[in-house]
Amino acid sequence: NAGVTQTPKFRVLKTGQSMTLLCAQDMNHEYMYWYRQDPGMGLRLIHYSVGEGTTAKGEVPDGYNVSRLKKQNFLLGLESAAPSQTSVYFCASNHLGLADTQYFGPGTRLTVL
Amino acid sequence: AQSVTQLGSHVSVSEGALVLLRCNYSSSVPPYLFWYVQYPNQGLQLLLKYTTGATLVKGINGFEAEFKKSETSFHLTKPSAHMSDAAEYFCAVSDMRGGKLIFGQGTELSVKP
Repeated sequence: NAGVTQTPKFRVLKTGQSMTLLCAQDMNHEYMYWYRQDPGMGLRLIHYSVGEGTTAKGEVPDGYNVSRLKKQNFLLGLESAAPSQTSVYFCASNHLGLADTQYFGPGTRLTVL
Repeated sequence: AQSVTQLGSHVSVSEGALVLLRCNYSSSVPPYLFWYVQYPNQGLQLLLKYTTGATLVKGINGFEAEFKKSETSFHLTKPSAHMSDAAEYFCAVSDMRGGKLIFGQGTELSVKP
């Protein structure tokens, strides 16, 4: 079991460029999440999905889009990157939501110049 | 709406000393509470969680936390710190509306030899 994997691990973008972050899980989890982590702010939820084909907005969704075409994958897209999106991005998944442990990927460090 | 406050963004203890990391929450319904740990350049992993039942919860690596409803607290303790405990610790409460986690700002624990 690889658990939750994220691709890429690091990326540098110029303002206005686009990119997609890929999250994959092999635990057959229903729920998947995208967070961003910034110093002193903990983790903030960007978007999440409660099952294949569904997505929902989290706390800080502006400037991001997501898709969950397959149960095991959850993609996070930045259409036009801005310096404010410089952050570390974490994907997580779990089976039951609510009281269930979330399993986190190793993170993607994104810098937007 | 749920929220979490961690008191102290940075805590420093000596090796062998008591570790106490404070977490207070607000919730209009009985909460599910979590402590996650993040080692440098890694994703988060679960230390322990409280859902129902016994209010003293034991986790991995000798950590424990006590749910105190009257104080709306869920402080994390460990009797004797090890150098390997140096990490960032996050308290989180589960948002009942779909299994989302609300994270505190994080507390960085340093352990001095």
